[in-house]
Amino acid sequence: AQSVAQPEDQVNVAEGNPLTVKCTYSVSGNPYLFWYVQYPNRGLQFLLKYITGDNLVKGSYGFEAEFNKSQTSFHLKKPSALVSDSALYFCAVREERGYSTLTFGKGTMLLVSP
Amino acid sequence: DVKVTQSSRYLVKRTGEKVFLECVQDMDHENMFWYRQDPGLGLRLIYFSYDVKMKEKGDIPEGYSVSREKKERFSLILESASTNQTSMYLCASSPWTGEDNQPQHFGDGTRLSIL
Repeated sequence: AQSVAQPEDQVNVAEGNPLTVKCTYSVSGNPYLFWYVQYPNRGLQFLLKYITGDNLVKGSYGFEAEFNKSQTSFHLKKPSALVSDSALYFCAVREERGYSTLTFGKGTMLLVSP
Repeated sequence: DVKVTQSSRYLVKRTGEKVFLECVQDMDHENMFWYRQDPGLGLRLIYFSYDVKMKEKGDIPEGYSVSREKKERFSLILESASTNQTSMYLCASSPWTGEDNQPQHFGDGTRLSIL
Protein backbone atom coordinates (compact mmCIF):
# COMPACT_ATOMS: atom_id res chain seq x y z
CA ALA A 1 0.00 0.00 0.00
CA GLN A 2 1.17 3.51 -0.72
CA SER A 3 1.18 6.34 1.82
CA VAL A 4 2.26 9.94 2.34
CA ALA A 5 3.27 11.69 5.53
CA GLN A 6 3.38 15.43 6.06
CA PRO A 7 4.82 15.65 9.55
CA GLU A 8 3.99 19.31 10.19
CA ASP A 9 0.42 20.54 10.51
CA GLN A 10 1.64 24.13 10.21
CA VAL A 11 4.80 25.91 9.10
CA ASN A 12 5.45 29.53 10.03
CA VAL A 13 7.99 31.65 8.17
CA ALA A 14 8.71 35.34 7.80
CA GLU A 15 8.37 36.99 4.42
CA GLY A 16 11.65 36.93 2.51
CA ASN A 17 12.97 33.85 4.34
CA PRO A 18 13.34 30.45 2.69
CA LEU A 19 10.59 27.93 3.32
CA THR A 20 10.43 24.14 3.40
CA VAL A 21 7.32 21.98 3.62
CA LYS A 22 8.19 18.36 4.33
CA CYS A 23 6.82 15.21 2.70
CA THR A 24 7.84 11.57 2.98
CA TYR A 25 6.28 8.72 1.05
CA SER A 26 6.04 4.96 0.86
CA VAL A 27 5.39 2.92 -2.31
CA SER A 28 6.31 -0.55 -3.45
CA GLY A 29 8.05 0.54 -6.64
CA ASN A 30 9.09 3.85 -8.15
CA PRO A 31 6.95 6.87 -7.25
CA TYR A 32 5.18 9.60 -9.10
CA LEU A 33 5.09 12.57 -6.68
CA PHE A 34 2.99 15.74 -6.77
CA TRP A 35 2.57 18.95 -4.80
CA TYR A 36 -0.71 20.88 -4.78
CA VAL A 37 -1.72 24.16 -3.11
CA GLN A 38 -5.18 25.10 -1.85
CA TYR A 39 -6.25 28.67 -1.17
CA PRO A 40 -9.29 29.34 1.07
CA ASN A 41 -12.59 28.17 -0.40
CA ARG A 42 -10.92 26.92 -3.57
CA GLY A 43 -9.97 23.58 -5.06
CA LEU A 44 -6.44 22.26 -5.28
CA GLN A 45 -4.01 23.75 -7.78
CA PHE A 46 -1.13 21.73 -9.23
CA LEU A 47 2.35 23.08 -8.37
CA LEU A 48 4.85 20.51 -9.62
CA LYS A 49 5.52 16.81 -10.12
CA TYR A 50 8.38 14.33 -10.11
CA ILE A 51 8.17 11.53 -12.64
CA THR A 52 11.76 10.64 -13.40
CA GLY A 53 15.06 12.38 -14.14
CA ASP A 54 16.49 15.32 -12.24
CA ASN A 55 15.98 15.17 -8.51
CA LEU A 56 15.30 18.91 -8.32
CA VAL A 57 11.96 19.77 -9.87
CA LYS A 58 10.89 23.34 -10.57
CA GLY A 59 7.25 24.35 -10.59
CA SER A 60 4.83 27.23 -10.49
CA TYR A 61 5.18 30.47 -8.47
CA GLY A 62 8.89 29.92 -7.79
CA PHE A 63 8.43 26.66 -5.91
CA GLU A 64 10.73 23.69 -6.30
CA ALA A 65 10.97 20.25 -4.73
CA GLU A 66 13.83 17.88 -4.14
CA PHE A 67 13.33 14.16 -4.64
CA ASN A 68 15.50 12.03 -2.34
CA LYS A 69 15.11 8.33 -3.02
CA SER A 70 17.23 7.10 -0.11
CA GLN A 71 15.23 9.16 2.39
CA THR A 72 11.94 8.64 0.51
CA SER A 73 11.30 12.37 0.73
CA PHE A 74 9.97 15.05 -1.59
CA HIS A 75 10.22 18.35 0.30
CA LEU A 76 8.75 21.52 -1.17
CA LYS A 77 10.98 24.59 -1.07
CA LYS A 78 11.06 28.24 -2.03
CA PRO A 79 14.08 30.54 -1.60
CA SER A 80 12.10 33.62 -0.53
CA ALA A 81 8.57 33.35 0.90
CA LEU A 82 5.76 35.78 0.09
CA VAL A 83 2.74 36.58 2.25
CA SER A 84 0.62 35.43 -0.69
CA ASP A 85 2.17 31.95 -0.39
CA SER A 86 0.10 31.41 2.76
CA ALA A 87 -2.13 28.45 1.97
CA LEU A 88 -2.66 24.74 2.55
CA TYR A 89 -0.16 22.47 0.78
CA PHE A 90 -0.70 18.83 -0.11
CA CYS A 91 1.82 16.20 -1.16
CA ALA A 92 0.55 13.19 -3.16
CA VAL A 93 2.02 9.94 -4.43
CA ARG A 94 1.20 7.03 -6.70
CA GLU A 95 3.20 4.09 -7.94
CA GLU A 96 4.85 4.32 -11.34
CA ARG A 97 3.49 0.98 -12.45
CA GLY A 98 0.06 -0.42 -12.14
CA TYR A 99 -3.24 1.30 -12.09
CA SER A 100 -3.14 2.91 -8.68
CA THR A 101 -4.75 6.20 -7.68
CA LEU A 102 -3.22 9.20 -5.95
CA THR A 103 -2.79 9.10 -2.19
CA PHE A 104 -2.72 12.52 -0.54
CA GLY A 105 -1.08 13.64 2.66
CA LYS A 106 -3.12 15.38 5.34
CA GLY A 107 -1.85 18.80 4.32
CA THR A 108 0.42 21.45 5.83
CA MET A 109 -0.75 24.98 6.47
CA LEU A 110 1.91 27.50 5.51
CA LEU A 111 1.67 30.90 7.20
CA VAL A 112 3.97 33.65 5.96
CA SER A 113 4.11 36.70 8.19
CA PRO A 114 4.91 40.20 6.88
CA ASP B 1 -6.95 26.12 -19.32
CA VAL B 2 -8.79 23.14 -17.91
CA LYS B 3 -12.08 23.99 -16.31
CA VAL B 4 -13.70 21.68 -13.79
CA THR B 5 -17.05 23.04 -12.69
CA GLN B 6 -19.00 21.84 -9.68
CA SER B 7 -22.64 22.79 -9.79
CA SER B 8 -22.93 24.18 -6.26
CA ARG B 9 -20.46 25.92 -3.96
CA TYR B 10 -22.64 25.52 -0.88
CA LEU B 11 -25.46 23.07 -0.27
CA VAL B 12 -27.63 22.38 2.77
CA LYS B 13 -29.72 19.21 2.91
CA ARG B 14 -31.62 17.21 5.49
CA THR B 15 -30.89 13.77 6.89
CA GLY B 16 -32.35 11.02 4.71
CA GLU B 17 -32.51 13.10 1.53
CA LYS B 18 -31.02 11.85 -1.73
CA VAL B 19 -28.35 14.35 -2.75
CA PHE B 20 -26.80 14.86 -6.17
CA LEU B 21 -23.45 16.62 -6.67
CA GLU B 22 -22.61 17.41 -10.27
CA CYS B 23 -19.21 17.90 -11.91
CA VAL B 24 -18.41 18.85 -15.49
CA GLN B 25 -15.02 19.15 -17.18
CA ASP B 26 -14.36 20.78 -20.52
CA MET B 27 -11.07 19.18 -21.62
CA ASP B 28 -12.22 15.75 -22.80
CA HIS B 29 -10.39 14.03 -19.94
CA GLU B 30 -10.84 10.30 -19.57
CA ASN B 31 -10.37 10.16 -15.80
CA MET B 32 -12.63 11.74 -13.21
CA PHE B 33 -12.56 11.55 -9.42
CA TRP B 34 -14.62 12.44 -6.36
CA TYR B 35 -12.91 13.21 -3.04
CA ARG B 36 -14.07 14.44 0.30
CA GLN B 37 -11.88 16.77 2.35
CA ASP B 38 -12.08 16.92 6.13
CA PRO B 39 -9.81 18.86 8.51
CA GLY B 40 -6.89 16.75 9.66
CA LEU B 41 -7.75 13.92 7.26
CA GLY B 42 -6.66 15.43 3.95
CA LEU B 43 -8.35 14.20 0.78
CA ARG B 44 -9.96 10.78 0.67
CA LEU B 45 -11.04 9.17 -2.58
CA ILE B 46 -14.69 8.17 -2.77
CA TYR B 47 -15.11 6.94 -6.37
CA PHE B 48 -13.38 7.35 -9.69
CA SER B 49 -14.04 6.62 -13.34
CA TYR B 50 -11.67 5.91 -16.21
CA ASP B 51 -14.28 6.01 -18.94
CA VAL B 52 -17.94 6.55 -19.68
CA LYS B 53 -20.19 4.16 -17.73
CA MET B 54 -17.18 2.86 -15.80
CA LYS B 55 -16.75 3.36 -12.08
CA GLU B 56 -14.40 2.12 -9.42
CA LYS B 57 -14.61 2.31 -5.65
CA GLY B 58 -12.10 4.43 -3.84
CA ASP B 59 -11.15 4.29 -0.19
CA ILE B 60 -14.48 5.38 1.32
CA PRO B 61 -17.37 4.46 -1.03
CA GLU B 62 -19.90 3.52 1.64
CA GLY B 63 -23.06 5.61 1.46
CA TYR B 64 -22.19 6.99 -1.98
CA SER B 65 -22.73 6.06 -5.60
CA VAL B 66 -21.70 7.68 -8.89
CA SER B 67 -22.89 8.04 -12.43
CA ARG B 68 -20.95 8.76 -15.61
CA GLU B 69 -23.30 8.74 -18.59
CA LYS B 70 -21.26 11.26 -20.59
CA LYS B 71 -17.50 11.72 -20.74
CA GLU B 72 -17.59 15.27 -19.44
CA ARG B 73 -19.94 14.71 -16.49
CA PHE B 74 -19.41 12.77 -13.27
CA SER B 75 -22.12 12.81 -10.62
CA LEU B 76 -21.82 11.87 -6.97
CA ILE B 77 -24.96 10.61 -5.25
CA LEU B 78 -25.60 10.39 -1.53
CA GLU B 79 -28.31 7.76 -1.39
CA SER B 80 -29.63 8.74 2.04
CA ALA B 81 -27.73 11.67 3.48
CA SER B 82 -26.44 11.45 7.03
CA THR B 83 -24.81 14.05 9.26
CA ASN B 84 -21.41 12.34 9.00
CA GLN B 85 -21.42 13.17 5.30
CA THR B 86 -21.15 16.87 6.07
CA SER B 87 -17.91 17.77 4.31
CA MET B 88 -16.18 19.55 1.44
CA TYR B 89 -16.50 17.53 -1.77
CA LEU B 90 -13.94 17.97 -4.53
CA CYS B 91 -14.18 16.75 -8.11
CA ALA B 92 -11.09 16.31 -10.29
CA SER B 93 -10.21 15.18 -13.79
CA SER B 94 -7.07 14.12 -15.62
CA PRO B 95 -6.16 12.90 -19.10
CA TRP B 96 -5.01 9.42 -19.88
CA THR B 97 -1.63 9.47 -21.63
CA GLY B 98 -0.63 5.86 -21.31
CA GLU B 99 1.42 6.28 -18.15
CA ASP B 100 -1.15 7.99 -15.94
CA ASN B 101 1.33 10.54 -14.59
CA GLN B 102 -0.62 13.66 -15.46
CA PRO B 103 -1.75 16.00 -12.66
CA GLN B 104 -5.37 16.10 -11.67
CA HIS B 105 -7.34 19.32 -12.19
CA PHE B 106 -9.74 20.22 -9.41
CA GLY B 107 -13.00 22.07 -9.17
CA ASP B 108 -13.58 24.65 -6.43
CA GLY B 109 -15.50 22.22 -4.28
CA THR B 110 -18.99 21.89 -2.83
CA ARG B 111 -19.35 22.51 0.87
CA LEU B 112 -22.21 20.22 1.88
CA SER B 113 -24.00 20.45 5.21
CA ILE B 114 -26.42 17.75 6.29
CA LEU B 115 -28.80 18.85 9.04
